Amino acid sequence: EAGVAQSPRYKIIEKRQSVAFWCNPISGHATLYWYQQILGQGPKLLIQFQNNGVVDDSQLPKDRFSAERLKGVDSTLKIQPAKLEDSAVYLCASSLEGVGTEAFFGQGTRLTVV
Amino acid sequence: GNSVTQMEGPVTLSEEAFLTINCTYTATGYPSLFWYVQYPGEGLQLLLKATKADDKGSNKGFEATYRKETTSFHLEKGSVQVSDSAVYFCALAGSSGSARQLTFGSGTQLTVLP
Repeated sequence: EAGVAQSPRYKIIEKRQSVAFWCNPISGHATLYWYQQILGQGPKLLIQFQNNGVVDDSQLPKDRFSAERLKGVDSTLKIQPAKLEDSAVYLCASSLEGVGTEAFFGQGTRLTVV
Repeated sequence: GNSVTQMEGPVTLSEEAFLTINCTYTATGYPSLFWYVQYPGEGLQLLLKATKADDKGSNKGFEATYRKETTSFHLEKGSVQVSDSAVYFCALAGSSGSARQLTFGSGTQLTVLP
C-alpha cells in the first residue's frame, strides 16, 4: 500500500515570498490533516478536511495561509507571504473514518524562510 | 480543549535499561490515546494505541496502559536497544468531528547508548 506522498521535501525561500506544498493521501482515506512542526515541538494542527470540506481550521493563520483539497483527494497548502517564523516541517496525514483509527503521516516538507 | 503533557527530555539510557516516558492528558469524553515515534530522518509512525479505559497497547516490546482515573498513558519498555533512539510523541484524538484531530505532546528525545 502506498503511503502519504508529499512534495517537495525541502524548500528554502526568502521572507515575503510565497510557497506551496502538495499532499497525496492514502487511497480511500476521507480525512486529511496538515500539521506544522516547529523544531523541538510537537506537531500542531493547521487544518482538517473531511473529503473536500473543512472540518477545523481554527489554528490556520488565514491572513497568510490557505489550503484546499481537490475533489476530496490531493491537497495543497500555501503560504503567502512567508515570515521567518514559518520555518518548520509541514506534515500531511490521512486516516479512515472511525474512532481510534490511525493517522498515517507523510515524510513532511522542511521549509526554511531566510 | 484537549491537551497532552509529556515528560520533557532528552532521555539518555544505556542499552538494556528500563524506559518510562510519562504522558498525561486533558480531554472531554473518551479520547483514543496514541504513541507515535519519529526515527531520525523519517516521518511520524504509529507505535501503539488504546481506544478505551484499561486497554493496553503494545508493539515492538513497548507498552502503555490507558488509565482514565489518572488521565495517563505512560510508555514503557523493559529493555531498550540502540535502535530505539528516536523522538516519542504522546497524542490523543477525540471521538467525533473536529475533535478527531490528533493533539500531540511536545515529544521526548530518547538516546540509547551501547
